[in-house]
Amino acid sequence: DGGITQSPKYLFRKEGQNVTLSCEQNLNHDAMYWYRQDPGQGLRLIYYSQIVNDFQKGDIAEGYSVSREKKESFPLTVTSAQKNPTAFYLCASSRTPEGGQPQHFGDGTRLSIL
Amino acid sequence: GENVEQHPSTLSVQEGDSAVIKCTYSDSASNYFPWYKQELGKRPQLIIDIRSNVGEKKDQRIAVTLNKTAKHFSLHITETQPEDSAVYFCAAGSYQKVTFGTGTKLQVIP
Repeated sequence: DGGITQSPKYLFRKEGQNVTLSCEQNLNHDAMYWYRQDPGQGLRLIYYSQIVNDFQKGDIAEGYSVSREKKESFPLTVTSAQKNPTAFYLCASSRTPEGGQPQHFGDGTRLSIL
Repeated sequence: GENVEQHPSTLSVQEGDSAVIKCTYSDSASNYFPWYKQELGKRPQLIIDIRSNVGEKKDQRIAVTLNKTAKHFSLHITETQPEDSAVYFCAAGSYQKVTFGTGTKLQVIP
């Protein structure tokens, strides 16, 4: 099913380089989320946004930055300060920011270090 | 913040048998408990969820139970089929966000 599009599917980063992961949704959802998935560690929340022009840090925000200039877009930048960026990154959205709304996920971006 | 523990980390069952995955949470304010299934290389997908005002919910072969007093909830899959093989994640949350467990890799042996 569509709804949330993440790009690119695979991304490679050089040392000292910032990279940006794209997340776009056409579900008219208010809330958007970024998770990092490492083997055996489940999904850990990086950042989330309840409304346009507002976002909050999750559990592992250090070395990452986000923006929410449009309702449908929530890009994630992995900065050079993130020393272990190799992981699978998942973007999600939900209809409202209130607890109790199922999250819909994108297909993910796999980031690796060159 | 919320802390969610999930057990077991791996589970193998024979086709047709039942599978049970258990999770505990720490924040008594959590009021929403979803379960997601993630097949290899694919996105997590919601399979069932329960809210804190309900003790049990069933959807065909899948059921979830919630014990608020003990702060634990469980996923039950009956009559397992090979296509049930995947990683299952529990989550617990309240206003704004949920915290995920570390996942259970379920293998259904034909």
